[in-house]
Amino acid sequence: NAGVTQTPKFQVLKTGQSMTLQCAQDMNHNSMYWYRQDPGMGLRLIYYSASEGTTDKGEVPNGYNVSRLNKREFSLRLESAAPSQTSVYFCASIQDSGYSGNTIYFGEGSWLTVV
Amino acid sequence: RKEVEQDPGPFNVPEGATVAFNCTYSNSASQSFFWYRQDCRKEPKLLMSVYSSGNEDGRFTAQLNRASQYISLLIRDSKLSDSATYLCVVNGGNTGGFKTIFGAGTRLFVKA
Repeated sequence: NAGVTQTPKFQVLKTGQSMTLQCAQDMNHNSMYWYRQDPGMGLRLIYYSASEGTTDKGEVPNGYNVSRLNKREFSLRLESAAPSQTSVYFCASIQDSGYSGNTIYFGEGSWLTVV
Repeated sequence: RKEVEQDPGPFNVPEGATVAFNCTYSNSASQSFFWYRQDCRKEPKLLMSVYSSGNEDGRFTAQLNRASQYISLLIRDSKLSDSATYLCVVNGGNTGGFKTIFGAGTRLFVKA
């Protein structure tokens, strides 16, 4: 069982370039999330999708867009990358966002460097 | 003030030691509490949920004090393999909808 799969694992971008991080889950979960993790900051929510067809901003959405393509896939796009977006990005999924006791499952992370 | 605060450490302990991590949260309406473990350059994984009555899983004991808005994790008989970052996670609240807040993590190094 693959769980949550995200690609690419590593990427170097030049300032101003665009790219899309892909994420897919095979657990039939309703809700999916994109986080970024920076040293000393913990995980911060960028965008989330409580169910197929819906997306909402999290704590740090500026500079990003998302698409919930179907129930399995949730992509994160950087339209014009900036050095401040250098970070580790984690995709995650959860069965039911209405129940706060559910476990969050994470992908392996994408290391993004913007130069 | 951060919504979830942890001592960043690092905690350096010898094998066999007992170590305790603390976490405080600011939203009194928070509903669920967890400890996640994150190894270097890996994704976070659930270590254990934290229940009001306190709960134990082998060498790990988690406690919740709602009155003080405080969560703890105790690791007994530390192993080298316990070296990792431990994230305090708080979920729910009165903001409407799903909301999970992660602490910045506490780093633990267990030495032989």
